Amino acid sequence: DGGITQSPKYLFRKEGQNVTLSCEQNLNHDAMYWYRQDPGQGLRLIYYSQIVNDFQKGDIAEGYSVSREKKESFPLTVTSAQKNPTAFYLCASSMGWSGELNTEAFFGQGTRLTVV
Amino acid sequence: AQRVTQPEKLLSVFKGAPVELKCNYSYSGSPELFWYVQYSRQRLQLLLRHISRESIKGFTADLNKGETSFHLKKPFAQEEDSAMYYCALTRGGYNKLIFGAGTRLAVHP
Repeated sequence: DGGITQSPKYLFRKEGQNVTLSCEQNLNHDAMYWYRQDPGQGLRLIYYSQIVNDFQKGDIAEGYSVSREKKESFPLTVTSAQKNPTAFYLCASSMGWSGELNTEAFFGQGTRLTVV
Repeated sequence: AQRVTQPEKLLSVFKGAPVELKCNYSYSGSPELFWYVQYSRQRLQLLLRHISRESIKGFTADLNKGETSFHLKKPFAQEEDSAMYYCALTRGGYNKLIFGAGTRLAVHP
């Protein structure tokens, strides 16, 4: 079954603990992204990666970290420095920039993180 | 600053009625605009993009650069159109998508 997989679907953590969200894709896409979705605010970009071993901060990177050691994997760590970590997190992937055309982004099912 | 605005949080219509979901944007370059849709318990997925100029599931959207708008339209709404709709645009050449807050479309029988 090809696609992009996020795990787990639900995650609970105590305040002050770091937590890592998994995102895997078998679409052979170069680009991968992490978004945060909060009610009434749409999707906000946390980090993105265009190629292995490279990633860039998005609009709300503070308190988050990522790695891109393999093309198919782009894990997101929510650190204790993130002031309001409870949210729905979406991972996406795409072919990346292709000439003048940007290409469709494919999304995972999301992970709902609750920090108590 | 680049921004996407969807002024309506909820749009409620009856089956067979016309639908228009509004999207306005601010962008300093030449944007590529998209509409993404999320049906209940399904993934967020691309509905259409302005560059394709196609109709998907009866929906169309025209990019109006003068009004900086990309409204989504359908002449006759169906119950299965009920979903969350997000307008989005790219910035730069790296497919970084900026999303609006989304509009929930509810089509009643």
